[in-house]
Amino acid sequence: NAGVTQTPKFQVLKTGQSMTLQCAQDMNHEYMSWYRQDPGMGLRLIHYSVGAGITDQGEVPNGYNVSRSTTEDFPLRLLSAAPSQTSVYFCASSPPHTIEQFFGPGTRLTVL
Amino acid sequence: ELKVEQNPLFLSMQEGKNYTIYCNYSTTSDRLYWYRQDPGKSLESLFVLLSNGAVKQEGRLMASLDTKARLSTLHITAAVHDLSATYFCAVDAQGAQKLVFGQGTRLTINP
Repeated sequence: NAGVTQTPKFQVLKTGQSMTLQCAQDMNHEYMSWYRQDPGMGLRLIHYSVGAGITDQGEVPNGYNVSRSTTEDFPLRLLSAAPSQTSVYFCASSPPHTIEQFFGPGTRLTVL
Repeated sequence: ELKVEQNPLFLSMQEGKNYTIYCNYSTTSDRLYWYRQDPGKSLESLFVLLSNGAVKQEGRLMASLDTKARLSTLHITAAVHDLSATYFCAVDAQGAQKLVFGQGTRLTINP
């Protein structure tokens, strides 16, 4: 198993550009989440999904969209990037009714 | 709104010493997580504490949970340099894997 994979590892955008951060897992996990990590802060939940076709907002959802068409993939879309979205983004997955989340390696995003 | 606070935020200590990181949270929760993060890396799961009085130990690290006080501690015994990292606690208040993280404690262990 590759676990949780994220692409790209690094990305630089200009203000107003759009892009999609990819997250995939091959463990057949139903729960998937996106977090952002800013300097000096812990991770904050952006969006999460409890299964294909089901998504919901987390603590900081503004400026981000998600969809979950398959169990394996959970992409995060930035519609119009802003400098405030400069951050490290982590995707996580877990099986239902279990206690542990598995985190991907992260995507470091810079918006100029 | 669930809030999670860690202290201290920065900790510099000598090898061989003992110390404790504290994690307070504001609302009832049955699950508390401790993670380790090395610079530029992802999060590594250390402990999951599920009930009041739970204690787990791995090597020089021991975590405990007091749900009545809404407090968890991560105790480091006889610190070694390899334990230098940032440590996060996180609380899952709704049982849906929606974690709320503390700010992190950056631990530096000096020879």
